Amino acid sequence: AQSVTQLGSHVSVSEGALVLLRCNYSSSVPPYLFWYVQYPNQGLQLLLKYTTGATLVKGINGFEAEFKKSETSFHLTKPSAHMSDAAEYFCAVSGGSGGGADGLTFGKGTHLIIQP
Amino acid sequence: ETGVTQSPTHLIKTRGQQVTLRCSSQSGHNTVSWYQQALGQGPQFIFQYYREEENGRGNFPPRFSGLQFPNYSSELNVNALELDDSALYLCASSSRAGRSTDTQYFGPGTRLTVL
Repeated sequence: AQSVTQLGSHVSVSEGALVLLRCNYSSSVPPYLFWYVQYPNQGLQLLLKYTTGATLVKGINGFEAEFKKSETSFHLTKPSAHMSDAAEYFCAVSGGSGGGADGLTFGKGTHLIIQP
Repeated sequence: ETGVTQSPTHLIKTRGQQVTLRCSSQSGHNTVSWYQQALGQGPQFIFQYYREEENGRGNFPPRFSGLQFPNYSSELNVNALELDDSALYLCASSSRAGRSTDTQYFGPGTRLTVL
């Protein structure tokens, strides 16, 4: 069974500061990893995903994440926070059974607060 | 390109009733997945439909059922509603079933309240 742990239900940073949102996963097979963002009263939007290849993945809005197999981590970073980054962020994993459908397994989310 | 749409946006039902939620997939997508997002939680996978057949299911009871139509739109049906079914229901479409690398594109969701 797969699982995702997001450390910190709330993270607060100042505008212009580094954003670091932590995600650790467990999976019995090579995982495919995703970060989604959810703004209030909206659905989820994909920020970036890792499938194979380069372990540093760049996404939209200046976000990036690095897959570290030895640490089973996929932390999300952004060098300089902007007020518009305030939202809920979800890390997700798929690829469990290797065949047929498997939905995404999400973490509980991290609420990012940007202080002016 | 039209994105994923869901209807209705909000719905209030009473315990024991039945509800149908609808989803139109993004243009060119043949696979629809449904998720339940309880307040303060991450989404949980309910099931996936591909070419009008259920193609995978999460840990949800049989009173959660679905349909997919030839135009790839989909319905989620929930019978015998319980208070714990109150949640945001999200629909996501993707282009090929069974490929875990494919990006799922989410709709805005339907907020269901069970009283």
